[in-house]
Amino acid sequence: ETGVTQSPTHLIKTRGQQVTLRCSSQSGHNTVSWYQQALGQGPQFIFQYYREEENGRGNFPPRFSGLQFPNYSSELNVNALELDDSALYLCASSLWVSGETQYFGPGTRLLVL
Amino acid sequence: AQSVTQPDIHITVSEGASLELRCNYSYGATPYLFWYVQSPGQGLQLLLKYFSGDTLVQGIKGFEAEFKRSQSSFNLRKPSVHWSDAAEYFCAVGAVGGATNKLIFGTGTLLAVQP
Repeated sequence: ETGVTQSPTHLIKTRGQQVTLRCSSQSGHNTVSWYQQALGQGPQFIFQYYREEENGRGNFPPRFSGLQFPNYSSELNVNALELDDSALYLCASSLWVSGETQYFGPGTRLLVL
Repeated sequence: AQSVTQPDIHITVSEGASLELRCNYSYGATPYLFWYVQSPGQGLQLLLKYFSGDTLVQGIKGFEAEFKRSQSSFNLRKPSVHWSDAAEYFCAVGAVGGATNKLIFGTGTLLAVQP
């Protein structure tokens, strides 16, 4: 059984650019959640995908968007990057069951210059 | 509003000493509670979780946590800390509302272990 994987591990972008981060779910999981963890902070919920649709969103602007594919993998897209978008982006997969445990990937470290 | 508070930003303990990390939550219903650990530059690893039933929960690596509804707390404990336990620890509440099943995290407690 493979765990949650994310790519790339880190990247550097400049302000105004666009970025796509990728996540592969743990085998058997049908739900993917994305979190942003700024330096020295706890993770903040961005959104969640189930059955290829967004079914919940945190306090993030529309320039944060995502996709979920039929194999349950997912992408996080961020347009018009801002300096404050620099953070560790974590993907978590789970089953779509109330309160089910979310299993996290290693994250993608994004630096916006 | 749903929230999690971890009052201790940084804790230092000696190797072999006992440990207790505090967590308080605010949530309108019976919460789902989690403790995760994060090593430097890594993702989050689940230590333990509380859904219902026995309020004392056992986890991996010798950790345990106790759910106290009257105090809205879910403190993490370990009787004897090892140097490899140095990491950041996050408490989280599972907020289930509508169609969303998200986690709300505290700001974390950074644990340092002295030899």
